[in-house]
Amino acid sequence: KNEVEQSPQNLTAQEGEFITINCSYSVGISALHWLQQHPGGGIVSLFMLSSGKKKHGRLIATINIQEKHSSLHITASHPRDSAVYICAVSPNYGQNFVFGPGTRLSVLP
Amino acid sequence: DTEVTQTPKHLVMGMTNKKSLKCEQHMGHRAMYWYKQKAKKPPELMFVYSYEKLSINESVPSRFSPECPNSSLLNLHLHALQPEDSALYLCASSQDHPGQGAYNEQFFGPGTRLTVL
Repeated sequence: KNEVEQSPQNLTAQEGEFITINCSYSVGISALHWLQQHPGGGIVSLFMLSSGKKKHGRLIATINIQEKHSSLHITASHPRDSAVYICAVSPNYGQNFVFGPGTRLSVLP
Repeated sequence: DTEVTQTPKHLVMGMTNKKSLKCEQHMGHRAMYWYKQKAKKPPELMFVYSYEKLSINESVPSRFSPECPNSSLLNLHLHALQPEDSALYLCASSQDHPGQGAYNEQFFGPGTRLTVL
């Protein structure tokens, strides 16, 4: 079993829809990161969370430390949101990110 | 300046060539990373430099040779690569060395798309 899991693997939405991507992890962590990667491109850090909730524009990220679960929400989705969204954790035991497998999002106009 | 830059953007090389990938950041970060990413997979860590010293080498073959000339620059020297080494190579940096949790937010560069013929 992977230490970081994401669901769904693939997601297709219509423009304007509310989107949720989930991440669950099995290790103790000091922080959780949501990353965005457009096709063929580099990675952009969207959020770093250790508790609670953060909001940036149409993006909202939440984390429940007790349940080892985080969600990324996109409100009023737009085709430019089409990308792979990666959940990564900074584990307590180790020195570097553990990446989830990614969620491939396509937002259709 | 909150940017990590990488050159070149694309590189095609033969198996007998020697080439180098370059990465630069001017955020004063003390940790820098090389990742390899194959299509539809998450990045795989290759090397970590902390305070200009190699702190992690994830059993990477010796045909990949990292170098950190100073705190702002990170190179990856390539020699005698194989076609299966074709991938996106990502550089990243973070404020402090790995394991510091809250200081471990990583900033990624745009990557170098490497093709080995």
